[in-house]
Amino acid sequence: DAKTTQPTSMDCAEGRAANLPCNHSTISGNEYVYWYRQIHSQGPQYIIHGLKNNETNEMASLIITEDRKSSTLILPHATLRDTAVYYCIVARLLRDDKIIFGKGTRLHILP
Amino acid sequence: DAMVIQNPRYQVTQFGKPVTLSCSQTLNHNVMYWYQQKSSQAPKLLFHYYDKDFNNEADTPDNFQSRRPNTSFCFLDIRSPGLGDAAMYLCATSSNPGTSYNEQFFGPGTRLTVL
Repeated sequence: DAKTTQPTSMDCAEGRAANLPCNHSTISGNEYVYWYRQIHSQGPQYIIHGLKNNETNEMASLIITEDRKSSTLILPHATLRDTAVYYCIVARLLRDDKIIFGKGTRLHILP
Repeated sequence: DAMVIQNPRYQVTQFGKPVTLSCSQTLNHNVMYWYQQKSSQAPKLLFHYYDKDFNNEADTPDNFQSRRPNTSFCFLDIRSPGLGDAAMYLCATSSNPGTSYNEQFFGPGTRLTVL
């Protein structure tokens, strides 16, 4: 499985865009990039995923570089409720393929 | 609302006393997962069911077992809990195949304390 590298922690001011980077330099052609987050004392929550094109949903935007070796999750207007650990994961869409959580980035939204 | 439910939310057991954690889902998803999450660590997959097919992770201790009597329910049995098994246990579901992505839906977790 491809591995991901994320900063251990980041701060962002409330109301500003939070940009969370992720490196996945060994990603293979059929692996997707997934983002999950885990708010304190809750189960992880799916945010967004993508293969090669940029993606946007009601929660966030995902920007994947053309070579697919890195990506950025963007929370356009961060609120205090976005304080969480954010996990970047690469996985295929095959039966029995698994979501393997790395250490993630602890995002602190500052008032 | 369709969801993943875990009971109880907090469980206390004694060293060596068997304990069962339960998970139920109203999503009708065919895949169910159990993760263990220790303090300040990432969730670690223990095993998963793809329909009735059980898939154990290579490094999951034999002390951990699972049962899935039907689509909606899945149980985690810890036969002889040790102090090192104290953790949050997370249940998750997904629908595979059938959607264009493998989004997992997580329950709130059961926090297990071993005395």
